Amino acid sequence: DVKVTQSSRYLVKRTGEKVFLECVQDMDHENMFWYRQDPGLGLRLIYFSYDVKMKEKGDIPEGYSVSREKKERFSLILESASTNQTSMYLCASSSRGADPGQPQHFGDGTRLSIL
Amino acid sequence: AQSVSQHNHHVILSEAASLELGCNYSYGGTVNLFWYVQYPGQHLQLLLKYFSGDPLVKGIKGFEAEFIKSKFSFNLRKPSVQWSDTAEYFCAVKSTNTGKLIFGQGTTLQVKP
Repeated sequence: DVKVTQSSRYLVKRTGEKVFLECVQDMDHENMFWYRQDPGLGLRLIYFSYDVKMKEKGDIPEGYSVSREKKERFSLILESASTNQTSMYLCASSSRGADPGQPQHFGDGTRLSIL
Repeated sequence: AQSVSQHNHHVILSEAASLELGCNYSYGGTVNLFWYVQYPGQHLQLLLKYFSGDPLVKGIKGFEAEFIKSKFSFNLRKPSVQWSDTAEYFCAVKSTNTGKLIFGQGTTLQVKP
């Protein structure tokens, strides 16, 4: 069974801090994703990566950056946290296999509060 | 721009009632379609998916969905809901061009025992 592990379930930080959210998957998946989940807005894609050291902007990349130094790990970085980044952050991974319907597998999420 | 719209934001049903959650998308090309479910305190899980073939797809826990290409719709159904179906449901569309998933706003389903 695929396991996507996010380092923290809950995190509280202050405005202006640099924040790191870590995600690790154990299925050798090529693709990894970071979303934020807000009530009434669903999931919105922040960044994604198709391979090590590769990254692509999603729909709402402003204020965020990512790092993928190893295949199994995908980090989301808030360069200078702001209160409007208070949200639930979800990491996901998927295989690049031949099946076009490859689903994404999600972690439990990190609920981040910026004070 | 691609978008996904879920018609119902909050649905309340009694046990044994039938369920239909609407999902429409805007994209003219080939798409793969998904329904994900998030039970309270748990991670998102795949409920079912469509990418080709029979437009009526069956998923886990008695759920099914029908892809109607002419209506750009992929509605989720279940004939008889249970209290354990209380969860948030997300429709998602994946463009075969970009590979990105676009999610709808989500529908919160509350089933009363």
